[in-house]
Amino acid sequence: NAGVTQTPKFRILKIGQSMTLQCAQDMNHNYMYWYRQDPGMGLKLIYYSVGAGITDKGEVPNGYNVSRSTTEDFPLRLELAAPSQTSVYFCASSDTRSAGYTFGSGTRLTVV
Amino acid sequence: GENVEQHPSTLSVQEGDSAVIKCTYSDSASNYFPWYKQELGKRPQLIIDIRSNVGEKKDQRIAVTLNKTAKHFSLHITETQPEDSAVYFCAARRTGGSQGNLIFGKGTKLSVKP
Repeated sequence: NAGVTQTPKFRILKIGQSMTLQCAQDMNHNYMYWYRQDPGMGLKLIYYSVGAGITDKGEVPNGYNVSRSTTEDFPLRLELAAPSQTSVYFCASSDTRSAGYTFGSGTRLTVV
Repeated sequence: GENVEQHPSTLSVQEGDSAVIKCTYSDSASNYFPWYKQELGKRPQLIIDIRSNVGEKKDQRIAVTLNKTAKHFSLHITETQPEDSAVYFCAARRTGGSQGNLIFGKGTKLSVKP
């Protein structure tokens, strides 16, 4: 099992550009999550999904969109990048039996 | 909704000493409390967790205690080593019928000095 795989690991965007952060898991987990982590801060939930075709907003969804067409994949879309979106983004997954999350290795995004 | 407060934000100890990190939560329905360790530039990794039907859990040098009445839980690391240096996050969630998402504390940066 690869666990949770995120790509890319690093990215620099210009203001106004768009990009998609990819996340895939091979553990057949129903639940998937996107968090952002700013320096000195904890993890803030952006969006989550309880299964294919179902997504919902977390604490800080503005400026982001998600989709969940399959159980395995949960991409995060930034449409008009802003400097405030400079952060490290973590994808995570869990199933109904394991209450804890498995995290991906993260994507460090800089918007200039 | 759930709110998790974590203290201290930074903690420096000498190698061999003990370290204690404390968290409080607000939702009395929360019943699952994990602790994550995040080394610099790495992903958070689950190190220990406790459920609300248990008051204490140990795994070698780390232990977690839970006080449901007071709604707080703590991480205890004994005989600290330099490799324990990292940021530690506590979290809380409801599991079961009305499952909620993990809500994280803001983290504690632990430095273990040789």
